[in-house]
Formats: sequence, C-alpha cells, structure tokens
Amino acid sequence: AQRVTQPEKLLSVFKGAPVELKCNYSYSGSPELFWYVQYSRQRLQLLLRHISRESIKGFTADLNKGETSFHLKKPFAQEEDSAMYYCALSGGSYIPTFGRGTSLIVHP
Amino acid sequence: NAGVTQTPKFRVLKTGQSMTLLCAQDMNHEYMYWYRQDPGMGLRLIHYSVGEGTTAKGEVPDGYNVSRLKKQNFLLGLESAAPSQTSVYFCASSSISSGDEQFFGPGTRLTVL
Repeated sequence: AQRVTQPEKLLSVFKGAPVELKCNYSYSGSPELFWYVQYSRQRLQLLLRHISRESIKGFTADLNKGETSFHLKKPFAQEEDSAMYYCALSGGSYIPTFGRGTSLIVHP
Repeated sequence: NAGVTQTPKFRVLKTGQSMTLLCAQDMNHEYMYWYRQDPGMGLRLIHYSVGEGTTAKGEVPDGYNVSRLKKQNFLLGLESAAPSQTSVYFCASSSISSGDEQFFGPGTRLTVL
C-alpha cells in the first residue's frame, strides 16, 4: 500500500523566512512524487514533480529515497506563497495518493 | 481548451435529496477521478475511471455512484444526500501522456442541510 504523510497541518512564517513543507511517503517500488498547490478558492494545480528537478516560483523539492521524503523548500517566503500544499505519490497505477495537506501562511 | 470543467459550482440540498455533479474534460484524457476535500482530511478519492465505460471505488465511495458513458464526461451521483456529504468536490483527469499529472476542475461546493 502507498501512503503519504504531511505531518504539519499548518505552517506559519514571516515574509523572507525559509520554508520547508515536509512530505514522507511509503511505497515499495519507484515512486513518482508531486507537489500540488491550491491558492484561496482556486483549483489545485501542479507545482512541481520530482522527475523534472525544476525550481518553480522559487520552490524546490528533492526526492530522498533513503529517508523516503520529498520535502518542499523555499529559501525566502513571499506573501503570495500562502496557500494549501499537497504532496502526492503515484506508483504507476494512475491512482494517486494525496497527503492531507499543509496550509502555509506567510505573514507580512 | 477549457481543460476540466465542473457543474454546478454551488449547490444546497436537503437531506434525502439527490443530485448529479458533472465533470467534463476536453484533453482526451483516459483517466478521471472524483475527490472530496474536507478541512483536516485533505483530498480523498471517491471513485475513479480508467476509461470509458469503466469505474472503480476509491477510498470513500459509500453514498456515491458514478458513470462514465463518454470518455470526456464523468458523473458523480448522490442518491440520498446526507449532511456528512457536505464538502467541496473536485474532479480531475490525467493521461499516460501527462505522466500522472492530475488536472483539476474548479470544484463544486455542496451543502447538505
């Protein structure tokens, strides 16, 4: 069975502070991992995926197979980063598993 | 392209009433999904479909039925609504070519009184 754990329901930081949203997974095979973002009252949209190894809006995420983690990081948070963030895992079956989400609030 | 659309955007039902939520996608995606989003519970998969004419249960299927008669449409039905079904419902689609990326609709906010 595949599982995604986001241990923080809420993360509150000040503008300019570093941000790390944690994601741990459980999966026996080779996972595909994603971060989705949902801004206030908008639809979820893909932020980044581990295979692309991109930096999107200043966010990066590295897959650590040893620690089974895929934490999302940004060195300097901006107010517009305030949103709900979901980590998701796909095991190749096209039936993804989402974490429960972390609400990020960036204070001015 | 409109992407993934959902109708209606909002709905208020009384307990015991029925309704159907419609999801449509114009990306020719094979896979379609229905999720519910509740505070503190994140996204939970209700039902999904891997192709026209096929559906399967997700994590929280009780109280819901689905149909996928056409590739582009995925319907979610509530036969007898209950207050516990008050939620925001999201439809999503994906395809082999999109590499497991899910494309979401704007959501339907349902309140059951």
